[in-house]
Amino acid sequence: SQQGEEDPQALSIQEGENATMNCSYKTSINNLQWYRQNSGRGLVHLILIRSNEREKHSGRLRVTLDTSKKSSSLLITASRAADTASYFCATDSNNDMRFGAGTRLTVKP
Amino acid sequence: DTEVTQTPKHLVMGMTNKKSLKCEQHMGHRAMYWYKQKAKKPPELMFVYSYEKLSINESVPSRFSPECPNSSLLNLHLHALQPEDSALYLCASSQERGKTQYFGPGTRLLVL
Repeated sequence: SQQGEEDPQALSIQEGENATMNCSYKTSINNLQWYRQNSGRGLVHLILIRSNEREKHSGRLRVTLDTSKKSSSLLITASRAADTASYFCATDSNNDMRFGAGTRLTVKP
Repeated sequence: DTEVTQTPKHLVMGMTNKKSLKCEQHMGHRAMYWYKQKAKKPPELMFVYSYEKLSINESVPSRFSPECPNSSLLNLHLHALQPEDSALYLCASSQERGKTQYFGPGTRLLVL
């Protein structure tokens, strides 16, 4: 069953702009992960943030976690056309992952 | 070897057929997973194997039957499927349950 809700459902931006996606969840978690999926293909792990962490960076990615609000955000800076994909948050609360609904990001060249 | 492989890539089957999906990893991971994903929806967990034992069956109909012959292989046996079972079936593995999962490319299944 689905755990998180993501917004926006779809986001369209120009190359070079930043993209921010949000994820909210309902139960307490051990960690939260972000995955990327190109159309109809497997998921690629992007970043994991533990429940005792507030912010994490990886290249052009910045993830924040607010456990008091049960929410996380993924920021992609200086977006590229190749970043066009669906992005999912996934929460781990009982050693198994539950995915959010996802945000479909389109980066126009 | 840092990837999860799945075969076949595509599968078309009738409602009376029996087929199997295969998943393989050689990363020494001890947890393996099957997910089902419908178009424009997130993946939904179906089964979890941990140390080759079935840990979770998310109320999946019996027409889906998982099998873990050894720590590197995971199968999903399909029998008497319905058209609504058409979806992308994703396999994943992780070092142990609760660790980062690595996904295969999926098998796109069409049931006619």
